[in-house]
Amino acid sequence: DAGVTQSPTHLIKTRGQHVTLRCSPISGHKSVSWYQQVLGQGPQFIFQYYEKEERGRGNFPDRFSARQFPNYSSELNVNALLLGDSALYLCASSLVHLQDYGYTFGSGTRLTVV
Amino acid sequence: SQKIEQNSEALNIQEGKTATLTCNYTNYSPAYLQWYRQDPGRGPVFLLLIRENEKEKRKERLKVTFDTTLKQSLFHITASQPADSATYLCALAPSPGGATNKLIFGTGTLLAVQP
Repeated sequence: DAGVTQSPTHLIKTRGQHVTLRCSPISGHKSVSWYQQVLGQGPQFIFQYYEKEERGRGNFPDRFSARQFPNYSSELNVNALLLGDSALYLCASSLVHLQDYGYTFGSGTRLTVV
Repeated sequence: SQKIEQNSEALNIQEGKTATLTCNYTNYSPAYLQWYRQDPGRGPVFLLLIRENEKEKRKERLKVTFDTTLKQSLFHITASQPADSATYLCALAPSPGGATNKLIFGTGTLLAVQP
């Protein structure tokens, strides 16, 4: 079985631009979470979606938005990019929306804002 | 304020020894705590989960303890190998009761096992 798939793997954008990151969860997993990991830090929670509904939102500005599609894949959108948005963006999928089990993470999208 | 702290400095140990990593938290009442391994440029990989009513959990060479009085979890790797070299992250789930389903991660501890 394929694991969690994220695309693209690397991305370079200019300040002020918009970016869309994509995630395909493990087949059968209905929950998708997004995390931001700045170099040297642990992942920080951005969003969680379960059954296409937002179930949690972290302390991020409104420039960050996400959605989940009927096939449970997900997109993370970031508008008006800032230099500080440069990070590894991780997608995690799980069977249920409660964190009673470990998450399966993708390899992430490395976003560099210049 | 709420904090999760892991050993900020890298942990260097000799192959065959037991590595012990620490995770301390303040101002949380976690329902469970998880440990992940992360290799450079990769996403975290789930290792173990321990619930608030469990004192200890084992999986092969791994052992996790959870002391809710001390607000601390210890992660042990016995008979360590160079292949165990990685960053280890602890993550806790805030006490259920709200709508949040997020994990709060520590900053991670870099483990280097020398042959």
